[in-house]
Amino acid sequence: NAGVTQTPKFQVLKTGQSMTLQCAQDMNHNSMYWYRQDPGMGLRLIYYSASEGTTDKGEVPNGYNVSRLNKREFSLRLESAAPSQTSVYFCASSEGALGANVLTFGAGSRLTVL
Amino acid sequence: GESVGLHLPTLSVQEGDNSIINCAYSNSASDYFIWYKQESGKGPQFIIDIRSNMDKRQGQRVTVLLNKTVKHLSLQIAATQPGDSAVYFCAENLRSGGFKTIFGAGTRLFVKA
Repeated sequence: NAGVTQTPKFQVLKTGQSMTLQCAQDMNHNSMYWYRQDPGMGLRLIYYSASEGTTDKGEVPNGYNVSRLNKREFSLRLESAAPSQTSVYFCASSEGALGANVLTFGAGSRLTVL
Repeated sequence: GESVGLHLPTLSVQEGDNSIINCAYSNSASDYFIWYKQESGKGPQFIIDIRSNMDKRQGQRVTVLLNKTVKHLSLQIAATQPGDSAVYFCAENLRSGGFKTIFGAGTRLFVKA
């Protein structure tokens, strides 16, 4: 009963490097999300996928791309990392995107960009 | 504008006392509210939710109160335990304009033994 699994848990990048954060859920949820969490700013939505085959921008999409690979997996890619992208990233999933929407979160991926 | 905020960034309580964590929201279109708990090094976890057609909802040791008149939400934890130490977030869901969840900045709860 894993829930939402994120990899890697920690990553250090140099400015300009690229990387992909992986996320998988085993709850048969339709919707998946990527958030970033910065001190004192709560959780901010980067991208979301309401259902398999669709993706939409959230509040802070610049500098990121996403891929909904299948119903289980939703990846977040940083093409050219910048120090401003130093953050803790959380993947989440929910049964539906609209209306009642309880999110199940992964444990987070801490990214440092030097 | 739209915002979900918390009155107190930190709260320190004695073990066994009751805790009250407050949250203000500004969007009258919000119709569903959720409290999450985030322990150190973990992702947020669902605690309790409430719909806008309700004023109060109780769970195990937790109660959420919603006052739509003043756009205020609170989380009450009875007989606070050391395991309750965490950051607590309120989140509001907006139906209009499609999916939108807004998280507050969080309140850190310290439980003193």
